Amino acid sequence: DADVTQTPRNRITKTGKRIMLECSQTKGHDRMYWYRQDPGLGLRLIYYSFDVKDINKGEISDGYSVSRQAQAKFSLSLESAIPNQTALYFCATRGITEAFFGQGTRLTVV
Amino acid sequence: AQSVAQPEDQVNVAEGNPLTVKCTYSVSGNPYLFWYVQYPNRGLQFLLKYITGDNLVKGSYGFEAEFNKSQTSFHLKKPSALVSDSALYFCAATAGGYNKLIFGAGTRLAVHP
Repeated sequence: DADVTQTPRNRITKTGKRIMLECSQTKGHDRMYWYRQDPGLGLRLIYYSFDVKDINKGEISDGYSVSRQAQAKFSLSLESAIPNQTALYFCATRGITEAFFGQGTRLTVV
Repeated sequence: AQSVAQPEDQVNVAEGNPLTVKCTYSVSGNPYLFWYVQYPNRGLQFLLKYITGDNLVKGSYGFEAEFNKSQTSFHLKKPSALVSDSALYFCAATAGGYNKLIFGAGTRLAVHP
């Protein structure tokens, strides 16, 4: 089983729709992250959480929200999707050192 | 503000030649530094890290990186490139364990036969 599992892997949605991306991890780490990847921009941090009660905005949190349902689960929501949120989204978890990434969710907003 | 810079969008290398992918960072305090690789349609895979100790760190697939505190750099190197090394490489940094992990924009490595 993967250390970090993201669902769905691919999603096409319409402008204005609400969508949730889910992430679960089996590493037992407290820290979890959501990033989006765009060509030429690398990975930009959307939200991060250091434990269930600690949620922090990253550099591009506008238009997104998150929920840390448990230590192992961290979901990302787009309340009203727009086309410029089309991107590859990655969830990650981290111990003291390296981070472990999910396989990514390719989201297309049409 | 914490930041990571990868000054080259793409690096082209002939197979068998040494390669270097550059990374500089701006992090307060003592940095933790990482390199990740992304193959097409895949997630990010960890290559190596610097936390403390020896400035030259060795990682997966024959890669190594040198931490240079005075130049705030952490360049990724490999003595002899393989075509299969062609991928997107990301440098990342954090100011210790309980801080956010910030990535550079990525460098595409193309190794030609």
